[in-house]
Amino acid sequence: ELKVEQNPLFLSMQEGKNYTIYCNYSTTSDRLYWYRQDPGKSLESLFVLLSNGAVKQEGRLMASLDTKARLSTLHITAAVHDLSATYFCAVDISAGTASKLTFGTGTRLQVTL
Amino acid sequence: NAGVTQTPKFQVLKTGQSMTLQCAQDMNHEYMSWYRQDPGMGLRLIHYSVGAGITDQGEVPNGYNVSRSTTEDFPLRLLSAAPSQTSVYFCASRLLPGRVIPSSYNEQFFGPGTRLTVL
Repeated sequence: ELKVEQNPLFLSMQEGKNYTIYCNYSTTSDRLYWYRQDPGKSLESLFVLLSNGAVKQEGRLMASLDTKARLSTLHITAAVHDLSATYFCAVDISAGTASKLTFGTGTRLQVTL
Repeated sequence: NAGVTQTPKFQVLKTGQSMTLQCAQDMNHEYMSWYRQDPGMGLRLIHYSVGAGITDQGEVPNGYNVSRSTTEDFPLRLLSAAPSQTSVYFCASRLLPGRVIPSSYNEQFFGPGTRLTVL
């Protein structure tokens, strides 16, 4: 059974600081997603990582994937208040046409002024 | 495109009542799925479908039924609601693996969610 673990579960950080969220998973996969969710809202796709060594950046967020270590990271650079949200990673296990996303429990990020 | 739509947005049921959560997408995606989100547990897959007439169980299927008669619609039925089914439900859709278009990379699109309370 695939397990996806995120840490930390909660992160309070000051504006301007850097931090990294970690996503570990237990089964081989070469496709990983990062999502953002604001309170009471749906999930917004941030990054799709499709291969070992993949790195994607958008603004102050950068995601990377190491399939050998079964680890993805979401790095936050110089945090701003607008980044406050819950961030989820999700691992895709595909077999033929069957495709299942297994989500981590999420990291609630709070950026304080 | 409207993307993925869900109705209703909110619903309160009494234990034992039945209801159907509606989900529709207009992106011609083969793959559709239902998730529930509970505090501290992330999203868990309930059922999914890879095309009209084909459905399969996810991680937490008990108490839920689905059918897929068209590509566009994927309703989720609660036959006899229980308080344990109080949750936020999200429908999602995507292209099947192997149908990758460079601009989408099999991105999964989520609906706005249905907040269900069972008393």
